[in-house]
Amino acid sequence: AQSVTQLDSQVPVFEEAPVELRCNYSSSVSVYLFWYVQYPNQGLQLLLKYLSGSTLVKGINGFEAEFNKSQTSFHLRKPSVHISDTAEYFCAVRPSGGSYIPTFGRGTSLIVHP
Amino acid sequence: SQTIHQWPATLVQPVGSPLSLECTVEGTSNPNLYWYRQAAGRGLQLLFYSVGIGQISSEVPQNLSASRPQDRQFILSSKKLLLSDSGFYLCACGLAGVLYFGAGTRLSVL
Repeated sequence: AQSVTQLDSQVPVFEEAPVELRCNYSSSVSVYLFWYVQYPNQGLQLLLKYLSGSTLVKGINGFEAEFNKSQTSFHLRKPSVHISDTAEYFCAVRPSGGSYIPTFGRGTSLIVHP
Repeated sequence: SQTIHQWPATLVQPVGSPLSLECTVEGTSNPNLYWYRQAAGRGLQLLFYSVGIGQISSEVPQNLSASRPQDRQFILSSKKLLLSDSGFYLCACGLAGVLYFGAGTRLSVL
């Protein structure tokens, strides 16, 4: 079984500042990792994913994440945020083989202030 | 690419009434399908998933049931709604190891 911990329930930041949303996971097997974004009253949209290869993954809207196997982390970063980035962000993990069911973190609310 | 349709977008139902939420998928065949619920201020709770027609796995015993009558159709039902069934219901489709979500249905049980 695997688990996901999003360390911050809420992250306030000013526009044009950098941001990092933290995600740690635990698993006894190799994993795939994902970040999703959810805008109010909408479904989840895939931001980026790590399946294999380069540990630095670039996604949509200028976001990127780095897979750190030794620290079991997959933190999401953006060098300069916009007001429109205000949303809920979910980290998810699933085994690379077998189960097709991902485990989601509880989410981090990113609030961008002008 | 796949498209996931969910309807209705919002629904207000009295306690004790039945429920039927429908999800259909376009652009792919034989997908894995999922129903999630998101209560206010909380994360995602997996309710049901299906790997094929008529194959349903329940993750949480509760007042809800699911059916998959066709390859790309996934239905969430209840015979009698409870107040605790209120929430945001999301249908998802699994492709190549990635989940893609519909726009969701906001259910308010009053």
